[in-house]
Amino acid sequence: EAEVAQSPRYKITEKSQAVAFWCDPISGHATLYWYRQILGQGPELLVQFQDESVVDDSQLPKDRFSAERLKGVDSTLKIQPAELGDSAMYLCASSLNRVSGANVLTFGAGSRLTVL
Amino acid sequence: GIQVEQSPPDLILQEGANSTLRCNFSDSVNNLQWFHQNPWGQLINLFYIPSGTKQNGRLSATTVATERYSLLYISSSQTTDSGVYFCAVDYSGNTPLVFGKGTRLSVIA
Repeated sequence: EAEVAQSPRYKITEKSQAVAFWCDPISGHATLYWYRQILGQGPELLVQFQDESVVDDSQLPKDRFSAERLKGVDSTLKIQPAELGDSAMYLCASSLNRVSGANVLTFGAGSRLTVL
Repeated sequence: GIQVEQSPPDLILQEGANSTLRCNFSDSVNNLQWFHQNPWGQLINLFYIPSGTKQNGRLSATTVATERYSLLYISSSQTTDSGVYFCAVDYSGNTPLVFGKGTRLSVIA
C-alpha cells in the first residue's frame, strides 16, 4: 500500500537551532499538507500545497517557519530558530487532488520534535 | 470557522465491549474523515464518510449530514483499538481539514 514518507521520525534540538523535516507524498498526489499536533490536541494545518504552489499558509508562523515544494513532489518544512513552544509532532499528508477529487487525506508517520 | 466537537473525551472499555463515538460539526461539510492515531502517533484513515453509512470489519460509521453529526461504532473492542480517534471535516473545496480534539480510547484486557 502506498505511503507518505517522512523523516526524521524523531528530532531533539536546542532552542535557537535550525531544524528541517522532509516529506515525500504518495506518487501522483497533487495536494500536500503540513500539520502540527501539540500533545493532547488535534492536528492543525500549517501549510497546504497544490502541486508546487502554496494554497494556504495563513497559520504558518512565517517569521521562523518556511515550507517549499519546489518540483511539486516532495516537500521540506524548516524552522529557524526553533523555540521551546515548537515541540510537537509535525505531520505530513497528501491527497489525490484537492480541487477536482474527493479530498481523502493520507498521513505519514510524523516527525516528533523536542526543543530543549 | 467550522467547529468540530467530539465526545466523550475519554473512554475506558473492557475487551469485547462495544462503543459509540460522536462527532458534531457546525456547518454543512464537503468532507468528513475518521482517523485512529496509534500510540506511535501515526494517523490511520478509517473512513471517508461525508454522508451515509460504511462498515469495515468491526468498525462502522454513519454521518447524518442534515443533522450535522457523525458516529463511529466499534464492536467487540480489542486492546489494539486503543489510541485516539479523531473526526476531521472541511466544508468547501478550498478550506482545510479541521480536526476535533479527539476521543482517547483505552481497551483493557
